[in-house]
Amino acid sequence: AQKITQTQPGMFVQEKEAVTLDCTYDTSDPSYGLFWYKQPSSGEMIFLIYQGSYDQQNATEGRYSLNFQKARKSANLVISASQLGDSAMYFCAMRDDLMTTDSWGKLQFGAGTQVVVTP
Amino acid sequence: DADVTQTPRNRITKTGKRIMLECSQTKGHDRMYWYRQDPGLGLRLIYYSFDVKDINKGEISDGYSVSRQAQAKFSLSLESAIPNQTALYFCATSDFSDSVDTQYFGPGTRLTVL
Repeated sequence: AQKITQTQPGMFVQEKEAVTLDCTYDTSDPSYGLFWYKQPSSGEMIFLIYQGSYDQQNATEGRYSLNFQKARKSANLVISASQLGDSAMYFCAMRDDLMTTDSWGKLQFGAGTQVVVTP
Repeated sequence: DADVTQTPRNRITKTGKRIMLECSQTKGHDRMYWYRQDPGLGLRLIYYSFDVKDINKGEISDGYSVSRQAQAKFSLSLESAIPNQTALYFCATSDFSDSVDTQYFGPGTRLTVL
């Protein structure tokens, strides 16, 4: 069974500073995808970034980058130059991409990390 | 206009009532999903559909049913609502032909069962 762990329930970060959100996952499947979503206080889920298990390079999208350490099964999100609008809940999720498994195609989410950016 | 819409956005109902949550999408995606979010638990998959004729149970399907009326529409029903179904419900869609198959979420429906 898959499992996603986000060990930081909440974090404070100063504006313009970088912040790293931890995510570890547990799977025995060789093919999988890792996702990060942002949920602001308004409630919607916003897709931020994706990393495939076979991708050689860490994914980047603007101020977001994913620090993918496959051997350690970690997929930490780094937000550079934090802005007040980055205050939100952040979720790490994994999808099993092996078609022969029951969990194929389904996203499993971690419990989330609440980030508060202060001026 | 939003690509994934959910109606209603907020609903308060009583124990034992039947309620339907609707999801529509204009993204042309073939896959649709229903999740619920409870505080501290992240999102959990209720049902998913990979095409119009394909319906599958997710992690927590008991007490729920779904209908895929068309490629663009996927409804979630609570046949007899109970208080512990109070939660934030999300619909999501994805496109299998997209190499990443990213799921895109609707705005959510906040359901309260009294």
